[in-house]
Amino acid sequence: GESVGLHLPTLSVQEGDNSIINCAYSNSASDYFIWYKQESGKGPQFIIDIRSNMDKRQGQRVTVLLNKTVKHLSLQIAATQPGDSAVYFCAETTPHNNDYKLSFGAGTTVTVRA
Amino acid sequence: GAGVSQSPSNKVTEKGKDVELRCDPISGHTALYWYRQRLGQGLEFLIYFQGNSAPDKSGLPSDRFSAERTGESVSTLTIQRTQQEDSAVYLCASSQGISGSQHFGDGTRLSIL
Repeated sequence: GESVGLHLPTLSVQEGDNSIINCAYSNSASDYFIWYKQESGKGPQFIIDIRSNMDKRQGQRVTVLLNKTVKHLSLQIAATQPGDSAVYFCAETTPHNNDYKLSFGAGTTVTVRA
Repeated sequence: GAGVSQSPSNKVTEKGKDVELRCDPISGHTALYWYRQRLGQGLEFLIYFQGNSAPDKSGLPSDRFSAERTGESVSTLTIQRTQQEDSAVYLCASSQGISGSQHFGDGTRLSIL
C-alpha cells in the first residue's frame, strides 16, 4: 500500500549540532511534501515544503532535500536549539491529481541535549 | 481570527454518547480539513471541505462520523455512539484555497470512558 514513514522514531542531538530527520515515502505520484513540527499539546506547525520539481529548498536554519529516485525526504536543522525539541512529521500529497489531503508518517521525536 | 480555533480543548465522555467538536478556521480560508491523531502516531485524514464543492469524506472511518461546514466558516465534526477506539486528538486545519499550506489548530483531546 501507499504510505509515508520515517526511518527512526527518536533522535537525540547535542545543542548546537546539526540534526537530520529522514522520511521515506512509497507513493511515486506524490508531488508536494511538507515538514511539520509538533510540540506537546499543540497542533502541527508548518516548517518548510518542497515540490517534486525541486531537490532542495532552504529556509531559516532548515533545509529540505528530496530524492525522487529513492523516494526519500530529509529535514536538516542547523545549530539545533532546545526549542527544536518536538515531534517532526513529513507529509505528502498529490495536488496534480486534485488530491490535497495530507498523508503523514508516524513522526520522529527529537530531543535536544543541553 | 489569528489562527485556527478548536473547541473544546478537552472532552471526556462515556461510551455510547454523541459528541460535537467545533472548528473555526482562519478568516478567508476556503478549505477546511479534519484529521485524527491517536497517541504516538501521525495524523489520519478524515474529511475536507472546499468552498461549495462536495466534501471529500473518504477518510471517515464509519457512518458514526459526520461533519458539516457552514459556508466558508465554522465546521463541526460529530461522532455518534462513541466507542473507546474513538479516543484521540481531533485536529482541524484550514488553507487559503485548496492548494495552500494547511494551518492547524491545537486540537480537541477526546477521551471515551
